Amino acid sequence: EPEVTQTPSHQVTQMGQEVILRCVPISNHLYFYWYRQILGQKVEFLVSFYNNEISEKSEIFDDQFSVERPDGSNFTLKIRSTKLEDSAMYFCASSEAGGTGTGYGYTFGSGTRLTVV
Amino acid sequence: QKEVEQNSGPLSVPEGAIASLNCTYSDRGSQSFFWYRQYSGKSPELIMFIYSNGDKEDGRFTAQLNKASQYVSLLIRDSQPSDSATYLCAVLPTSSNTGKLIFGQGTTLQVKP
Repeated sequence: EPEVTQTPSHQVTQMGQEVILRCVPISNHLYFYWYRQILGQKVEFLVSFYNNEISEKSEIFDDQFSVERPDGSNFTLKIRSTKLEDSAMYFCASSEAGGTGTGYGYTFGSGTRLTVV
Repeated sequence: QKEVEQNSGPLSVPEGAIASLNCTYSDRGSQSFFWYRQYSGKSPELIMFIYSNGDKEDGRFTAQLNKASQYVSLLIRDSQPSDSATYLCAVLPTSSNTGKLIFGQGTTLQVKP
């Protein structure tokens, strides 16, 4: 069964450093998402991406965050200057369709645990 | 006002019993509703989706939707210890034309042998 692949599985970084989280979405999917989950809290939407641009972003997704699809397969989340409160699990997801087409749900990757020290 | 609400639990049921998980949502125009299962330290795994009022059954799982009451539930029949996990309710809101999902806090289910 096709799956969304995320690397690394665990990243430890010092406060103020830049990190890039990588995702390989399912190959025929067109819509891509990043979510995060702080330990013990709910899964929170960060950003959606379609046709090489951001289609929606949350209040969490401020200027220190950026996303990119540098080639035909990878989808990355960059955090420019990490803060302690960025420590969380970051999940990538992809779907064939967006909006109401997402009615079938979408598949999450296994996640990257980011620890900022 | 919280957008998607779930009782955090834990909900404890004996093996073989029916587990009933509930979720309410605030956006009356929400379009689709999802139940995800999340084991500790793992990613959410889609169990079921529902978008029409009524019941939808898939194996041991039944999702129930009542849009008038803004309520969605998940029933797990013949609960097994392997069903012990956190169950996340997620909603596709009216405002989203991009597939953004709003998640509840999740309900922790413990199935005791």
